[in-house]
Amino acid sequence: QSALTQPASVSGSPGQSITISCTGTSSDVGSYNLVSWYQQNPGKAPRLLIFEVTKRPSGVSNRFSGSKSGNTASLTISGLQTKDEADYYCCSYAGSTSSFVLFGGGTKVTVL
Amino acid sequence: VYLVQSGAEVKKPGESLKISCQSSGYSFTDYWIAWVRQKPGQGLEWVGIVYLADSDARYSPSFQGQVTMSADKSITTAYLQWSSLKASDTALYYCARRETGKYYFDSWGQGTLVTVSS
Repeated sequence: QSALTQPASVSGSPGQSITISCTGTSSDVGSYNLVSWYQQNPGKAPRLLIFEVTKRPSGVSNRFSGSKSGNTASLTISGLQTKDEADYYCCSYAGSTSSFVLFGGGTKVTVL
Repeated sequence: VYLVQSGAEVKKPGESLKISCQSSGYSFTDYWIAWVRQKPGQGLEWVGIVYLADSDARYSPSFQGQVTMSADKSITTAYLQWSSLKASDTALYYCARRETGKYYFDSWGQGTLVTVSS
């Protein structure tokens, strides 16, 4: 099963909003509200940002928000800050008969 | 919540290896431990998941037969092992916690770098 599709890079200026897309299929993203997003800073482990499409764990800024339409999930970062420069990965449940979980290829966010 | 992984390893092709992930600070019966691979400069790949309480393991089709996951509940530790390493196994391997019935990873280990080179 193929990885979920994310843009390789997205950039924005401080204070702007950016959106990262994550496209799957009707067998994964489209079938389940079980998309999560992770932020990974260089040399660090990933950190959970969003789970179950729209929910934020405690401690995660409300500048991060998630949504889904059809087979595509999205992560929006509003009020972009220099500390948001990192790699971002989406992840979706893919069903118990397949590979259970698929990750996206990752998106590098650059703050201009 | 703590997930503490074993240290970096340097091995030769064909050698065996077992890396570990010790968990603490939560009830292990409510959670599974996943393994995630990250090759140098690349993205995350789900290897599989193991239940600490009974060692029930599920593998990504891409990794089935290539690695073995196990667990020792007496020391709340999960393991990922190879019987014959290849150069292509060179990567950073993370363990991460997943609550039963949920499909996201809310806590991650620091990663174990595995280097396979002749």
